[in-house]
Amino acid sequence: NAGVMQNPRHLVRRRGQEARLRCSPMKGHSHVYWYRQLPEEGLKFMVYLQKENIIDESGMPKERFSAEFPKEGPSILRIQQVVRGDSAAYFCASSPRRGLQETQYFGPGTRLLVL
Amino acid sequence: AQTVTQSQPEMSVQEAETVTLSCTYDTSESDYYLFWYKQPPSRQMILVIRQEAYKQQNATENRFSVNFQKAAKSFSLKISDSQLGDAAMYFCAYRSGSGGSNYKLTFGKGTLLTVNP
Repeated sequence: NAGVMQNPRHLVRRRGQEARLRCSPMKGHSHVYWYRQLPEEGLKFMVYLQKENIIDESGMPKERFSAEFPKEGPSILRIQQVVRGDSAAYFCASSPRRGLQETQYFGPGTRLLVL
Repeated sequence: AQTVTQSQPEMSVQEAETVTLSCTYDTSESDYYLFWYKQPPSRQMILVIRQEAYKQQNATENRFSVNFQKAAKSFSLKISDSQLGDAAMYFCAYRSGSGGSNYKLTFGKGTLLTVNP
């Protein structure tokens, strides 16, 4: 059973460009969570999605950031008009369901560098 | 809001020795979960151990064990017989056990563990 997959692993963008980060959850998992890790910080929650639904986006900046998890295909975190402050590691996690017993399994992360 | 504090930015241990990493948290809830995650140089986040607050018994996973002190809101990780592969950043994390946001993990800033041969 493959783990959570994220691609690309490393992404370099110039200021003003768009960044698209992809996350394929573990097989059988329909819940996806995105976290951001700024340099020398712990991970911070951004958004929680189920298939075709955004459940909680309270941790995501209101502008330039969006996320989706379509019926088919991976979850996408999209950052428009990137700025240097967006440079960070973005982690995706998945769980089979939302229940209290569920553990979130993390992917390897995407390192975004904005020049 | 819940907060998680790891007061040791860096720790070191000799191979085969025991080391304890500290974590404290602040919450007004009685039902919650605590976790230790490991982030090796590959940067992959790996779950090390998990503790349910309603359980009095401390969780154990092979060489990893926790000392959960609910009244003191303390959750330390003990690594016995340290191995070179244990070298990593260790994050303590909290998750509410009730309410509408019982899926959000709140992380501390991490403790960088070095294992000396």
